[in-house]
Amino acid sequence: NAGVTQTPKFQVLKTGQSMTLQCAQDMNHEYMSWYRQDPGMGLRLIHYSVGAGITDQGEVPNGYNVSRSTTEDFPLRLLSAAPSQTSVYFCASRPTGVSSGANVLTFGAGSRLTVL
Amino acid sequence: DAKTTQPTSMDCAEGRAANLPCNHSTISGNEYVYWYRQIHSQGPQYIIHGLKNNETNEMASLIITEDRKSSTLILPHATLRDTAVYYCIVRVTNQAGTALIFGKGTTLSVSS
Repeated sequence: NAGVTQTPKFQVLKTGQSMTLQCAQDMNHEYMSWYRQDPGMGLRLIHYSVGAGITDQGEVPNGYNVSRSTTEDFPLRLLSAAPSQTSVYFCASRPTGVSSGANVLTFGAGSRLTVL
Repeated sequence: DAKTTQPTSMDCAEGRAANLPCNHSTISGNEYVYWYRQIHSQGPQYIIHGLKNNETNEMASLIITEDRKSSTLILPHATLRDTAVYYCIVRVTNQAGTALIFGKGTTLSVSS
């Protein structure tokens, strides 16, 4: 049981390049989300998904695309990277349902992205 | 979700209890209090949650006041490894269509 796996752990891009941050979970969680974290700031939600084929925007969605073709995977795409997207990115998942445990997020280890 | 207010930072001596407060004066009857923490450079980690009764697990205790307008996370014997940012979140269950929003939390520094 690996939990939430993010790849790559580190990435350096040049402005204008594209890339995809991968996120996979093996807990059969319906809900998955992407956050970014910048120095001195808390976690800010980028996009989230409540199930395969369903995605929605969070607080800071501009410059990012997501899709959810399977329950297990939720990739985050940067189509044209900008220096403002230099950040640490965290993927998280949780179960859905009516119990209070449905709000317990499991986070990945993070992906550190630098855009030059 | 109800708004929460936490101190920006706190200090604690190793081996002593760390008591982290959280105010949530607008909490509604069906909202739970959740605590997470983030150790430097790692992904946040769930600690504990509760509705109105005090809760305890292997990591911490959660004390919720009778009027539920505030709560305290207690780390009974803080260690250097407990140095982290602690987040208090208030939220209802059964909100599949929305996401947890994290604020800036409390930075706890445990020193020897």
